[in-house]
Amino acid sequence: KNQVEQSPQSLIILEGKNCTLQCNYTVSPFSNLRWYKQDTGRGPVSLTIMTFSENTKSNGRYTATLDADTKQSSLHITASQLSDSASYICVVVKAAGNKLTFGGGTRVLVKP
Amino acid sequence: NAGVTQTPKFQVLKTGQSMTLQCAQDMNHEYMSWYRQDPGMGLRLIHYSVGAGITDQGEVPNGYNVSRSTTEDFPLRLLSAAPSQTSVYFCASSYSTRPMNTEAFFGQGTRLTVV
Repeated sequence: KNQVEQSPQSLIILEGKNCTLQCNYTVSPFSNLRWYKQDTGRGPVSLTIMTFSENTKSNGRYTATLDADTKQSSLHITASQLSDSASYICVVVKAAGNKLTFGGGTRVLVKP
Repeated sequence: NAGVTQTPKFQVLKTGQSMTLQCAQDMNHEYMSWYRQDPGMGLRLIHYSVGAGITDQGEVPNGYNVSRSTTEDFPLRLLSAAPSQTSVYFCASSYSTRPMNTEAFFGQGTRLTVV
């Protein structure tokens, strides 16, 4: 079973609307959690990185939250744009070793 | 500054053929790694390197070899291609040998089809 689960698998939203993506993880011990954006046919690009002590981090219209107690994270996209159409990947990094564990991603499609 | 460059972008192989996927970075990063991405699954680590001359296996290393003769280059070799190796391959690099605290930069990927 994957140690990083994302939901939903895909979603469609109208341009200008907000949406929230979820990430639940069981990876332990925890070092940090990252959200990546992956455009079709491209490699993932980092949006945010959060450590244990950080609850919220923003990058423009992207806001990530982290609850290390419940092992949950979310990525909120505000006022979506067509360019937000992409897959969003949650990655959890163990405190020991160099292992990154990737979620399966949420595919977001923004329609005009 | 090119970042992480992968070649080729697309490749079709016949079963049993061998080939090398190239990866180069110009950021003087110590840590480099190879992942494969399959539909509906998260990226899975194939091999990684913490510096020139040092490589190690990830979670799905079978059928692949790597070497790290320079800091810049980290090629991935498929020894005898199999249809199960049809996937999209990503090379990534990080400044530190402890990437848990640094950002990973990814190449644009190589889409490989084995027929």
